[in-house]
Amino acid sequence: NAGVTQTPKFRILKIGQSMTLQCTQDMNHNYMYWYRQDPGMGLKLIYYSVGAGITDKGEVPNGYNVSRSTTEDFPLRLELAAPSQTSVYFCASRLRQGLSTAHFGNGTRLTVT
Amino acid sequence: DQQVKQNSPSLSVQEGRISILNCDYTNSMFDYFLWYKKYPAEGPTFLISISSIKDKNEDGRFTVFLNKSAKHLSLHIVPSQPGDSAVYFCAASAGTGANNLFFGTGTRLTVIP
Repeated sequence: NAGVTQTPKFRILKIGQSMTLQCTQDMNHNYMYWYRQDPGMGLKLIYYSVGAGITDKGEVPNGYNVSRSTTEDFPLRLELAAPSQTSVYFCASRLRQGLSTAHFGNGTRLTVT
Repeated sequence: DQQVKQNSPSLSVQEGRISILNCDYTNSMFDYFLWYKKYPAEGPTFLISISSIKDKNEDGRFTVFLNKSAKHLSLHIVPSQPGDSAVYFCAASAGTGANNLFFGTGTRLTVIP
């Protein structure tokens, strides 16, 4: 049972480059989330989705885009990478029933230089 | 504007003793609180939660206490074990099904054998 899988684990980008962080889950969870964790800080919500075709902004959405074409996948797109986007990114999914069911992926560590 | 605060970045405890991790929040709309445990290079995993209608919730060695008037909660681990060494995050939401979780900055617990 893979749970929530994030790829890549690590990535270094130059300023202005773009990339997509991949997230897939095999638990048939409707709800999916992208968080970022800056050094010494708590996780902050970037975007979330309550089902295929439905996405919404979280607390810190600027500089990111998402799509949700299937239940399993929820990619996060960075169009013009900036140093302020250096962070660890976590994807999570959960059942509709509540937050305590959330499963997190192992994270993608992104450095923008 | 950190709405959930964990003022102790680190805590060291002898094996077998009690670990007490503290968390404060500022938003009176928060009514559901969770603790997550995080090992290096892994995502957070859910540990225990409490709703604002309770002031205590127990699960084995883990107990969470909530003081609504003080906007304070604490996680007690008794007895502490070396495998408990991890970073612990407190998180809060307005409702058990809310889509935005607000995380604290984490406390690194080290249990000394």
